[in-house]
Amino acid sequence: AQTVTQSQPEMSVQEAETVTLSCTYDTSESDYYLFWYKQPPSRQMILVIRQEAYKQQNATENRFSVNFQKAAKSFSLKISDSQLGDAAMYFCAYRSDVNRDDKIIFGKGTRLHILP
Amino acid sequence: KAGVTQTPRYLIKTRGQQVTLSCSPISGHRSVSWYQQTPGQGLQFLFEYFSETQRNKGNFPGRFSGRQFSNSRSEMNVSTLELGDSALYLCASKVMGTGGHYGYTFGSGTRLTVV
Repeated sequence: AQTVTQSQPEMSVQEAETVTLSCTYDTSESDYYLFWYKQPPSRQMILVIRQEAYKQQNATENRFSVNFQKAAKSFSLKISDSQLGDAAMYFCAYRSDVNRDDKIIFGKGTRLHILP
Repeated sequence: KAGVTQTPRYLIKTRGQQVTLSCSPISGHRSVSWYQQTPGQGLQFLFEYFSETQRNKGNFPGRFSGRQFSNSRSEMNVSTLELGDSALYLCASKVMGTGGHYGYTFGSGTRLTVV
């Protein structure tokens, strides 16, 4: 069974600085998607970034980028120029693309605090 | 486009009762998934519906059930509520984007408290 592990329950970063959130996963599959979701106090899960496993190039979305290391099964999220609005729970997630089912496996989350 | 709508936002029920939660996906989205979020267990997959058929089910007891209607709206039902069912219940709708890539849009959830 696939698992997703986020080893940092909480992190803090100074506004305008850069922070990296860690995520490792375990799978025997070769085709899958990885996601980072943000959950602010409003509770809605918001997609931050997505990475297809077959792509070697790391995904980027404005200030958000990932470091995808497929062999190491590592998928970290880097947030540059941190802003107060980035404060939230961040979840790393995995979705198999083998059976095409829509079961997303989430890590336990990292709570990110932005210090003004 | 309107987002994923979940109703109600908050619910308080007594042990032993049953509850029904509703999720309306984004117009045109035919796949709806449900997740339970608790502080202890995190986010766990409940089930997924596509075109009124359950395609996948997580490891939850039979007290948890769901269905999907022809307009893609979905409901989940929990019978004989237990204190441990207190959680945030999230639903997500999926759309196939360009290049065959999937996107998932989540609702704001229903916070269920069992007393």
